[in-house]
Amino acid sequence: QVQLQESGPGLVEPSQTLSLTCTVSGASISSGAYYWSWIRQHPGKGLEWIGYIYYTGSTYYNPSLRSRITISSDTSKNQFSLRLSSVTAADTAVYYCARKFSSSPFDYWGQGTLVTVSS
Amino acid sequence: ETVLTQSPGTLSLSTGERATLSCRASQTVSSSYVAWYQQKPGQAPRLLIIGATSRATGIPDRFSGSGSGTDFTLTISRLEPEDFAVYYCQQYGNSPETFGQGTKVEIK
Repeated sequence: QVQLQESGPGLVEPSQTLSLTCTVSGASISSGAYYWSWIRQHPGKGLEWIGYIYYTGSTYYNPSLRSRITISSDTSKNQFSLRLSSVTAADTAVYYCARKFSSSPFDYWGQGTLVTVSS
Repeated sequence: ETVLTQSPGTLSLSTGERATLSCRASQTVSSSYVAWYQQKPGQAPRLLIIGATSRATGIPDRFSGSGSGTDFTLTISRLEPEDFAVYYCQQYGNSPETFGQGTKVEIK
């Protein structure tokens, strides 16, 4: 059974960098032609795709966030990570990690972690 | 970017009734790559429908999807108590992938 678990600070100060890690179990992030993804949901709002890292290490980012995002992976720990720089209150959201296959939707999701941007 | 507009915003129905949810895209979705998700409070979205019409693994057959091009529909034939939730459509045929704003199905 594939499981994903987000971890990281729940509170980030404005202008700082948000850093989250997703730990994957039941699947290897370095094989299987999967895209390992980050998605966020603003409080009471819809979902926004942030970006993903392919099993080869290639990354794909939402153009609206591209200038502030870095997604990386640590295959030795079977983890992938999100860094979002220069955060503002508008980045307050529940952040989910998820998996998808090529030309498919997101089939496995983490439980999500709330990140609040505030001083 | 492909904007997905879901309607209605809220659907008030009773158990046993039929629910019809709409998702309209601002441009043609390539290969009808549209998915539907169910989300309950405090939970991650759950994948229901793939490729506009195929149920995901383990999804009951009261859930069905239809549509192509720019207009897509999720139908729940007979609402069960556990079906009251928020439903999102997503398109993954055009880049960037986008989601609709959601339709809440609430108990009447």
